[in-house]
Amino acid sequence: EPEVTQTPSHQVTQMGQEVILRCVPISNHLYFYWYRQILGQKVEFLVSFYNNEISEKSEIFDDQFSVERPDGSNFTLKIRSTKLEDSAMYFCASSKTGGPGANVLTFGAGSRLTVL
Amino acid sequence: SQQGEEDPQALSIQEGENATMNCSYKTSINNLQWYRQNSGRGLVHLILIRSNEREKHSGRLRVTLDTSKKSSSLLITASRAADTASYFCATWSAKAAGNKLTFGGGTRVLVKP
Repeated sequence: EPEVTQTPSHQVTQMGQEVILRCVPISNHLYFYWYRQILGQKVEFLVSFYNNEISEKSEIFDDQFSVERPDGSNFTLKIRSTKLEDSAMYFCASSKTGGPGANVLTFGAGSRLTVL
Repeated sequence: SQQGEEDPQALSIQEGENATMNCSYKTSINNLQWYRQNSGRGLVHLILIRSNEREKHSGRLRVTLDTSKKSSSLLITASRAADTASYFCATWSAKAAGNKLTFGGGTRVLVKP
């Protein structure tokens, strides 16, 4: 069963530091997503990405955040200067197609970010 | 409130009982999906129901959709301890060029052996 892999599984960083979270989506998927979940709370959409550009982003995804597909397999989320409130579980997901059709997302296991 | 809100927020049942959770949404949808999340893990897709369907089954799962009430329900029959997880409904944004699957707040289900 193909899967989405995320690294690291857990990262601890100091406030103000830059963090890069990495994801390897399923190889024949074309749409990529980042979500975050603060402990015990809802799963919040951050950004979707297709054809090397952002297709939609939420108000959470401000100038501190960026995404990139640096090569044919990786999809990264960068937080430039982390804040305490960025502490959360970050989930990468991918899908074969996009938009409001019968599209199902496949999620990775998540990267837990702790900002001290 | 936001697109996709589940109730109850938490549910505790005995193994063998049925678990029912509901989801309400605000805008028109193409389909509604249910996902499951084991504690500290990623979400796993369970079932998708299209807007022109009223009911769908998959194993011990039964999903209903009432577009006139903008609501859906997920029923897990004959629950097992392994069904302990959080369950989320999700809908796509209605924005024409949008590409955003929005999740509700989830229902935490505890199945006691």
